[in-house]
Amino acid sequence: DTGVSQDPRHKITKRGQNVTFRCDPISEHNRLYWYRQTLGQGPEFLTYFQNEAQLEKSRLLSDRFSAERPKGSFSTLEIQRTEQGDSAMYLCASGAFRDITGELFFGEGSRLTVL
Amino acid sequence: TQLLEQSPQFLSIQEGENLTVYCNSSSVFSSLQWYRQEPGEGPVLLVTVVTGGEVKKLKRLTFQFGDARKDSSLHITAAQTGDTGLYLCAENYGGSQGNLIFGKGTKLSVKP
Repeated sequence: DTGVSQDPRHKITKRGQNVTFRCDPISEHNRLYWYRQTLGQGPEFLTYFQNEAQLEKSRLLSDRFSAERPKGSFSTLEIQRTEQGDSAMYLCASGAFRDITGELFFGEGSRLTVL
Repeated sequence: TQLLEQSPQFLSIQEGENLTVYCNSSSVFSSLQWYRQEPGEGPVLLVTVVTGGEVKKLKRLTFQFGDARKDSSLHITAAQTGDTGLYLCAENYGGSQGNLIFGKGTKLSVKP
């Protein structure tokens, strides 16, 4: 399967703990995105990378959140000192944008539950 | 920040019925995408519309882009239970070509 893969699919943690999610994009895609989705809502943009450069971050991305894409391939999203409000589905997507109609390919998401 | 408004928020219909869902913006879209998301999965692209007045068809789904490129609609003919899901519209934001901003979606339930 050459789609976007995310790990873990589910994570349950206690408030105050740190968690890390990994995303492996489609190999030929230069752009990688992180979104957060809560129940009944559309995905909310968090940040995106072009190759290894982080080009944009949403104001939703507090200083407890950090994302990396060190070699321009896989990416990690770390949440420090988790809070109950961080409970959500974290979606990763990749794309190869050559024009304004670029398609995003999404992974199945990592569902975080903070107790 | 451009706000995408989708309506209705929820829609429950019987199999075989027709339906239309809408996506509106206060500003002109550069391009607009429609995605469908099933529970436990990521969104999957259905179509991209670029030109004002454009109509695209995908089997029983018909997508329209308003002449002024500020609104779009998705019409489903003879809905099937497999059409159940969250329908999301999304637009490239701020000219950064790829930062998609999503609406909140229309949750469609098609009952047998």
